[in-house]
Amino acid sequence: AQSVTQLDSHVSVSEGTPVLLRCNYSSSYSPSLFWYVQHPNKGLQLLLKYTSAATLVKGINGFEAEFKKSETSFHLTKPSAHMSDAAEYFCVGGYSSASKIIFGSGTRLSIRP
Amino acid sequence: EAGVAQSPRYKIIEKRQSVAFWCNPISGHATLYWYQQILGQGPKLLIQFQNNGVVDDSQLPKDRFSAERLKGVDSTLKIQPAKLEDSAVYLCASSSSGTDYGYTFGSGTRLTVV
Repeated sequence: AQSVTQLDSHVSVSEGTPVLLRCNYSSSYSPSLFWYVQHPNKGLQLLLKYTSAATLVKGINGFEAEFKKSETSFHLTKPSAHMSDAAEYFCVGGYSSASKIIFGSGTRLSIRP
Repeated sequence: EAGVAQSPRYKIIEKRQSVAFWCNPISGHATLYWYQQILGQGPKLLIQFQNNGVVDDSQLPKDRFSAERLKGVDSTLKIQPAKLEDSAVYLCASSSSGTDYGYTFGSGTRLTVV
C-alpha cells in the first residue's frame, strides 16, 4: 500500500534556530517525493522534489531534504528559521505506476520571535 | 511556462444551489487532478483524469459532484446541489507522464456555501 506519513502535526521553533519537519513514506518501491508549502489563504507552492537523482535535494528559501531509502524518510530541514517560514507544509508522494499522488496530513510550522 | 489556471477565484452560494469550477492545465500535461481541501486539513483527491478518461473517482460524491475533461485538456467540476459541508478550497493540479512527475497546482477556488 502506498502512504505518506508526516510525523508531527505542529512544529514550533524560535527564529534563527533549525527546522526539521519529518516525513516517512511507505511503498514497495521508491516514489517521487515532494515538499509543498501553503501560506494562509494561498495556493500550494513547490519547495523541492526528489526524483531518484541526488539523495540530498536543495529547494527554495534555504530548505533542503534528504531521501533515505533505508529509513523510508524524506525529512525537510532548514538551518535557520525565518518568520516568513510560518506556514503549512505538505509531504507528497508520487507513484508513477498508478499515476497517483498522495498527500501527507500536513505539518503546521510556527516561528517564535 | 504558464501555470495551471483556475476560475473563479472565489465563490459564495446558498445551499442547494449549483456551482461549477474550471481548470486549464499546463499544456501537454496528460494527468489532471481535482482536490478538495477543507480548512485545517490536507487536500483530498476527488477525481483523477488521464487525458480524457477517469483513472480514479473513488472519493467523488457522485450523487452531487460531477467532473469532465473534454478533449483531454480543460476540465470542469460541478456540484449540484451544494451542501454546507462542501465549503472548501478546490484545487486543480496537472502533471506530465514519466518518472519525473512535476505536479503543478493552480491557486484554487475558495467555495463558501451559506
